[in-house]
Amino acid sequence: AQRVTQPEKLLSVFKGAPVELKCNYSYSGSPELFWYVQYSRQRLQLLLRHISRESIKGFTADLNKGETSFHLKKPFAQEEDSAMYYCALPGGATNKLIFGTGTLLAVQP
Amino acid sequence: SAVISQKPSRDICQRGTSLTIQCQVDSQVTMMFWYRQQPGQSLTLIATANQGSEATYESGFVIDKFPISRPNLTFSTLTVSNMSPEDSSIYLCSAATGGHYEQYFGPGTRLTVT
Repeated sequence: AQRVTQPEKLLSVFKGAPVELKCNYSYSGSPELFWYVQYSRQRLQLLLRHISRESIKGFTADLNKGETSFHLKKPFAQEEDSAMYYCALPGGATNKLIFGTGTLLAVQP
Repeated sequence: SAVISQKPSRDICQRGTSLTIQCQVDSQVTMMFWYRQQPGQSLTLIATANQGSEATYESGFVIDKFPISRPNLTFSTLTVSNMSPEDSSIYLCSAATGGHYEQYFGPGTRLTVT
């Protein structure tokens, strides 16, 4: 069965430090993976998708099929990066997404 | 992308009553979804709403409690029926265009049941 695991509920770093938010998945076949972000008092929004191989707001994520991981990385954290981050993958025929439990990133000044 | 609005943004309701939440998309979309999110928690999918067919409910959610309508390609409603305090949550609507998994989310409806 498809599953997404985000092992850290909270990740606290200082401004300027590197950030890595972990996401591991279980999926049959080639998954399409996403990172969503929810800033305080804002709606959930798509941050990036692995098929685009893009960098958004300095964040990147590489799909590692061998380790079944899709970790989100940023070399230098900013205070405005503080938010809840969710990893997601497709969950079946209805185009639904399965979301991880989320990691709260707190960037300290 | 799609821009999604929800009404109401929040409500306080008495137990035993029902509330209908509206979700409007600014463009035609294939799939619409309804989620529940406890503050600070992850999203739990309630159901997938397709135009012209009955909604597909996830395990633990039933049509009698959460009836859904999808009259056209830009609009959907979720009703929370016979509410109890356990139904207090944020209800989110999202949409996906045909053939794509990525979803766009509404701002949510914060429901408090007293």
